Amino acid sequence: AQSVTQPDIHITVSEGASLELRCNYSYGATPYLFWYVQSPGQGLQLLLKYFSGDTLVQGIKGFEAEFKRSQSSFNLRKPSVHWSDAAEYFCAVGDNFGNEKLTFGTGTRLTIIP
Amino acid sequence: KAGVTQTPRYLIKTRGQQVTLSCSPISGHRSVSWYQQTPGQGLQFLFEYFSETQRNKGNFPGRFSGRQFSNSRSEMNVSTLELGDSALYLCASSLAQGFEQYFGPGTRLTVT
Repeated sequence: AQSVTQPDIHITVSEGASLELRCNYSYGATPYLFWYVQSPGQGLQLLLKYFSGDTLVQGIKGFEAEFKRSQSSFNLRKPSVHWSDAAEYFCAVGDNFGNEKLTFGTGTRLTIIP
Repeated sequence: KAGVTQTPRYLIKTRGQQVTLSCSPISGHRSVSWYQQTPGQGLQFLFEYFSETQRNKGNFPGRFSGRQFSNSRSEMNVSTLELGDSALYLCASSLAQGFEQYFGPGTRLTVT
């Protein structure tokens, strides 16, 4: 069965600093990979996705993620965070055989300090 | 284009009652999935509908059911509510298989 691990429950960074959120997945073939962001009391907003092709994918709000098959990782990065980036971030994996089920990690809560 | 809408946004029910939640997908999207989010279990897949047929189901008891209408709108029903059913229920829609899912704002269900 597919699974996702987000090893960092909570990360605190200073505004303007760079950010990297870690995500490791377990899946037998090339997965569909996603990063979503959730603000308090809100639904999930899709930041970016990887289906195939270029392993470095660009998303909204200045985020990017790199798929590394050898490390089973799909880490999310941003060169300079803004106070508005404070939220919870979820990595998710979907299989590529038409199954619409997403398996989510436990999330990483991001706090931004001035 | 309007996003995924869910009604109601908040709901308070008593143990033993039943509840129906509604989801309207993005126009043109034919797949609707439901997820339950709780602090203890995180985000868990409930089921997915495509063209009025349930294609996938998660590991939830039979008290949780759903359906999809010909206009792709979907409802989920929970019967005989338990305290542990208190959660944020999220609906997501996608164009078809293999496309990304877009989530609604969720329905916050509180069972007392």
